[in-house]
Amino acid sequence: AQKVTQAQTEISVVEKEDVTLDCVYETRDTTYYLFWYKQPPSGELVFLIRRNSFDEQNEISGRYSWNFQKSTSSFNFTITASQVVDSAVYFCALRRNSGGSNYKLTFGKGTLLTVNP
Amino acid sequence: DTGVSQNPRHKITKRGQNVTFRCDPISEHNRLYWYRQTLGQGPEFLTYFQNEAQLEKSRLLSDRFSAERPKGSFSTLEIQRTEQGDSAMYLCASSPPRDRSTDTQYFGPGTRLTVL
Repeated sequence: AQKVTQAQTEISVVEKEDVTLDCVYETRDTTYYLFWYKQPPSGELVFLIRRNSFDEQNEISGRYSWNFQKSTSSFNFTITASQVVDSAVYFCALRRNSGGSNYKLTFGKGTLLTVNP
Repeated sequence: DTGVSQNPRHKITKRGQNVTFRCDPISEHNRLYWYRQTLGQGPEFLTYFQNEAQLEKSRLLSDRFSAERPKGSFSTLEIQRTEQGDSAMYLCASSPPRDRSTDTQYFGPGTRLTVL
C-alpha cells in the first residue's frame, strides 16, 4: 500500500524566512514517482515538481529546492526567502511506476503555509 | 494550451437531488482523472479514463456515482440522490499519453459541492 505523511499540519513564518515542508512516504515498490503540488486559496492544484525514485539528485528552481533521500523515504521541500504569495496548502504525492493502478496519485494531508508580511 | 476547466465552480443542492459536473481536459490529453477532496484532507482518487474507456473506479465511488467520457474528450461526473457526506471539492485532472518526461497530472480548479 502507498502512504504519504505530512506531519506538519500548519506552519507560519514571517516573510523572508526560509521554511522546509516535510514529506515521508511508504511504498513497497522499488521505482516510483514523487510530486509536490501547491493549492492556493483559489483551490486549483498547481504542479511544482516530479521526481523519479531512481534519480536522487536534489533540485533547485529559483527559491524552491527539493531534497530527496531514498534511505529515509523523504522528499522535503524548502522555500528560501519566503514571500506572502507562497501562502498556500502544499501537498506531497506518490505514484507507482508500474504494476496495478500506476496512474493514481496518493496524496498526503497537506501542510498549510502562512507567510506573514 | 488552456488548462483543465471545470463547471460549475460551485454547486449547492438539497439532499436527494442529482448533480452533474463537467470537466474539459487539456487538449490532446488522452487520460483523465477524478479526485475528491474533503476539508483538511488531500485529494483522493475516484476514477480514471484513458480515452473513452473507464479503467478504474475507486471503492469511494458508490453506486450513486457515475462518470462518463463518451468521446474521449470532456468528462461528466454525476451524483444521484446526493447525501450530506458528498459535500466536497471534486477535482479533475488530465495527463498526456504516457511518456516519462511528461507523465504529470494537471488539475482543474475543482467544483465545490455543498449538500444541504
